[in-house]
Amino acid sequence: EAQVTQNPRYLITVTGKKLTVTCSQNMNHEYMSWYRQDPGLGLRQIYYSMNVEVTDKGDVPEGYKVSRKEKRNFPLILESPSPNQTSLYFCASSPGGYREKLFFGSGTQLSVL
Amino acid sequence: AQSVTQLGSHVSVSEGALVLLRCNYSSSVPPYLFWYVQYPNQGLQLLLKYTSAATLVKGINGFEAEFNKSQTSFHLRKPSVHISDTAEYFCAVRNPWLSGNTPLVFGKGTRLSVIA
Repeated sequence: EAQVTQNPRYLITVTGKKLTVTCSQNMNHEYMSWYRQDPGLGLRQIYYSMNVEVTDKGDVPEGYKVSRKEKRNFPLILESPSPNQTSLYFCASSPGGYREKLFFGSGTQLSVL
Repeated sequence: AQSVTQLGSHVSVSEGALVLLRCNYSSSVPPYLFWYVQYPNQGLQLLLKYTSAATLVKGINGFEAEFNKSQTSFHLRKPSVHISDTAEYFCAVRNPWLSGNTPLVFGKGTRLSVIA
């Protein structure tokens, strides 16, 4: 089944403790992206990747890192999480191109205490 | 810069009623427009998209949207909603003329509650 898989589904952590949220897609998509969803703000792009070893900042990249060493994986890294990073995170992928739809993962609810 | 405004953060309707979810966009060039739906505890799924073909776009689950250039709108409607349509709906815009990353710009969402 074609899908975008995120793990974990829920995560509670404390300020400053490094964490990684994994994202994997099995559709051979070139484009991958991370969004955060906050009440009343909709979805905002954090980072994106056009292909392997190619990543760039979205609208709200501060406090996040990403890497794209393989086409299927695009982990999101929080080196030193803070409470303002408490949010619902979505990974998405697309074959590429502006007409193509995004395929979303099921989300990761992160709480930073 | 592109932007999307969704009017009404929460809409409540009775089952079987017509629903209209409003979306207005701002773009300096003819945009591509999308509606995504997010069911409870799930990721977003594409409902429909407009990419400069027919102005009336039909999507999944009986939804449709009409692109109106003069009013810069892309309202979503369904003639008869079902309880299973209860979800959050996001309008999004993309500039198709930019090279490289062309991220979707999302609206803030409209939560639709369908009441029995």
